[in-house]
Amino acid sequence: DIVMTQSPDSLTLSLGERAAINCNSSQTVLYSSNNKNYLAWYQQKPGQPPKLLIYWASTRESGVPDRFSGSGSGTDFTLTISSLQAEDVAIYYCQQYYTPPMTFGQGTKVEIK
Amino acid sequence: QVQLVQSGTEVKKPGSSVKVSCKASGGTFSSNVISWVRQAPGQGLEYLGGIIPILGTANYAQSFQGRVTITADRSTSTAYMEMSSLTSEDTAVYYCARVMGGAGSPYYPFDYWGQGTLVTVSS
Repeated sequence: DIVMTQSPDSLTLSLGERAAINCNSSQTVLYSSNNKNYLAWYQQKPGQPPKLLIYWASTRESGVPDRFSGSGSGTDFTLTISSLQAEDVAIYYCQQYYTPPMTFGQGTKVEIK
Repeated sequence: QVQLVQSGTEVKKPGSSVKVSCKASGGTFSSNVISWVRQAPGQGLEYLGGIIPILGTANYAQSFQGRVTITADRSTSTAYMEMSSLTSEDTAVYYCARVMGGAGSPYYPFDYWGQGTLVTVSS
């Protein structure tokens, strides 16, 4: 199985600050035939199911604010929130969908200082 | 608008089985993979497996092979996840989720999720 490891486990920042969450996969999730990274980011708020934010490592899902962006390739990826808002308090997960089982990172909790 | 509506809370005894349903509406049920993910209290997301309804073929994470059965009823646009030999470690919220791409491909992210079903295993 591909192991997904996120860092840090938690992040406490002030409103308006930039948040960066890292995700490392134990093997590449870049498919050379189409040059796509099979990597997604989800946001989960308490009592809710996860919500898809970013897929193909950097494509924003429809309706997701543009302060959320994804970058990286191969085995190392980053989710960036450019200016942290109160409504961004949540746990964020990366997921690889390159090969079954579609494994998730352990999650990064984002809080406001 | 795609919606996935899951069955309600379950309380089960150790050693028993549970079957959770996930009814889809607003999309093309047969051609999108439906996956199942669980989340133990205060823990992260764990992939169980998925099914291609149009083919009826399912795949399972190694950890759950032989203990989880995923099925789909195309006539009612409903997917099911059945887990046997329950222990307290199986206490979790179980989610169904639709895989984004059509044509039965599992190689896409999960774009729609059910509301979750809490399964509590306790003697």
